[in-house]
Amino acid sequence: EVQLVESGGGLVQPGGSLRLSCAASGFTFSDHYMDWVRQAPGKGLEWVGRTKKKVNGYTTEYAASVKGRFTISRDDSKNSLYLQMNSLRTEDTAVYYCVRIYSSGFYYDYWGQGTLVTVSS
Amino acid sequence: DIQMTQSPSSLSASVGDRVTITCRASQGISYYLAWFQQKPGKAPKSLIYAVSSLQSGVPSKFSGSGSGTDFTLTISSLEPEDFATYYCQQYSTYPVTFGGGTKVEIK
Repeated sequence: EVQLVESGGGLVQPGGSLRLSCAASGFTFSDHYMDWVRQAPGKGLEWVGRTKKKVNGYTTEYAASVKGRFTISRDDSKNSLYLQMNSLRTEDTAVYYCVRIYSSGFYYDYWGQGTLVTVSS
Repeated sequence: DIQMTQSPSSLSASVGDRVTITCRASQGISYYLAWFQQKPGKAPKSLIYAVSSLQSGVPSKFSGSGSGTDFTLTISSLEPEDFATYYCQQYSTYPVTFGGGTKVEIK
């Protein structure tokens, strides 16, 4: 069974940093691109960014709203995805989801349960 | 960026009704269109990819259609568990973008 479990969320002050993790199980993690998607309270879904797989050089892509502040990485040996968030702003407050991308179709198939990040003083 | 516009933003319907939600892309996205269902307090669930292909385990009451810039999600006969918010998404071009959502409520 595919499982994606996020962790690391919490309360952080504006300007602070936080690192989210996503533990993957039930599939060959290294075979898949992975995304982070967020959802502010009461709002819609917003793509944060993507990491490709080793054969694609672990290339990353980011939304303009987080580029230069957030960094996505992965450790295939630990079946884990990460989101390092720096210079956090109040508008980064959201539930953050990790999402698996189906290997040959580039579409989303599995979502994690999400972890809440609250940026507030 | 490609903008995805969903309509309506909300609708009220009864159990057994046929419901159609539309999604318009600001430019052509070929077949790179997906739909998601989200219930309150839960993670989104993938329903449809590539315009009309159902994810594994998704019942056939859900269907998708369209091409180019105009797409639809249809629920053939609403059941109580279908009351939720639905989002479309284009994955043709970076950045990946989502529609604003359509909340399907009980009439």
